[in-house]
Amino acid sequence: GDSVTQMEGPVTLSEEAFLTINCTYTATGYPSLFWYVQYPGEGLQLLLKATKADDKGSNKGFEATYRKETTSFHLEKGSVQVSDSAVYFCALKSNTNAGKSTFGDGTTLTVKP
Amino acid sequence: DTEVTQTPKHLVMGMTNKKSLKCEQHMGHRAMYWYKQKAKKPPELMFVYSYEKLSINESVPSRFSPECPNSSLLNLHLHALQPEDSALYLCASSQGQTGNQPQHFGDGTRLSIL
Repeated sequence: GDSVTQMEGPVTLSEEAFLTINCTYTATGYPSLFWYVQYPGEGLQLLLKATKADDKGSNKGFEATYRKETTSFHLEKGSVQVSDSAVYFCALKSNTNAGKSTFGDGTTLTVKP
Repeated sequence: DTEVTQTPKHLVMGMTNKKSLKCEQHMGHRAMYWYKQKAKKPPELMFVYSYEKLSINESVPSRFSPECPNSSLLNLHLHALQPEDSALYLCASSQGQTGNQPQHFGDGTRLSIL
């Protein structure tokens, strides 16, 4: 079945540091890939998405590229801010799985001033 | 601001109570979802409605009963819950159940079972 593996956290960075959160996936067919962010006390928000190989999703300074050859969708940001502190979930959605979304375990990011 | 509205934000109930969680979206989405999320864990899918019909039930205990009165509303009726049912309950919607559309989540109802 489908699965998503995220790098284990928590991740603690200083403000303006470079961020990478690794995500790899296993899926049948051609899934769409997503990063969601969850701030404390809130639901998940879509951060960015990519629907086919070599697509790059980007939003709010975050980027991720759909790499079919390495089955990866790593999240990056060049300079993190304290306000980026949250839990980040990598997810895929596959038409071969009745359109269900499969989520990674989440990575908690804390950015210190 | 979230486009999926959930009420109430917090709910405390005893194991013999009956209560309902409500979810509303006005984006014209035809798929709506209920998820359960425990602390520091990803959301777990419970139910999916597609065009107001129950499409997926992930073997959820019958003490949880979903209802979709119309294309904008989704309810989750609760009865005789157990302490282990305490969690954040998230509603989500998407344009369709299949395809590459992302899900839009509400902020959830934090449920505590005494």
